[in-house]
Amino acid sequence: GQQVMQIPQYQHVQEGEDFTTYCNSSTTLSNIQWYKQRPGGHPVFLIQLVKSGEVKKQKRLTFQFGEAKKNSSLHITATQTTDVGTYFCAGPMDSSYKLIFGSGTRLLVRP
Amino acid sequence: KAGVTQTPRYLIKTRGQQVTLSCSPISGHRSVSWYQQTPGQGLQFLFEYFSETQRNKGNFPGRFSGRQFSNSRSEMNVSTLELGDSALYLCASSVKGGMETQYFGPGTRLLVL
Repeated sequence: GQQVMQIPQYQHVQEGEDFTTYCNSSTTLSNIQWYKQRPGGHPVFLIQLVKSGEVKKQKRLTFQFGEAKKNSSLHITATQTTDVGTYFCAGPMDSSYKLIFGSGTRLLVRP
Repeated sequence: KAGVTQTPRYLIKTRGQQVTLSCSPISGHRSVSWYQQTPGQGLQFLFEYFSETQRNKGNFPGRFSGRQFSNSRSEMNVSTLELGDSALYLCASSVKGGMETQYFGPGTRLLVL
């Protein structure tokens, strides 16, 4: 079945360092969404990418959708302690109303 | 607009019991999806409802069921609880579901003893 894989599972960085998480789908996605879940919280929508090769920025966060629309990445420049949390990518399963989430990347930031 | 609300927020049950969780979507949202999240795990899709109809179901046993009411509020039920059902149960709403942005509620944390 369709799968969305995410790496790495964990990333522990020093505050100020950069961070990147990668998302790969076994099939082409119509769009990719990114969510952030703070410890003890619930997932919160960050952004949606729709076009092949699309790049969007939100302050220190840069999101990219691959040319083949099967992979995506989230890059955080100069991490801060407020970036701590788990970042999930998600893509809709073809011909269904099911959003498949990646396993998430947990980011820890040392102050 | 008020966000997605879920009740109860915390629940402790014993094995063999059943539980019903409730989710009220954002006003105007007709799609409600349910997810199970266990420690260290991702979000496992349970099912999705739209206009009182289940449109998709994840790979969970029949002990997990749900329904949606005409006002779009949704409930999920787990019968004959097992220890492994301990998890955070999240519901998410969107206008039409599918590829749309999901707005998550705070979740119900279920502990089965």
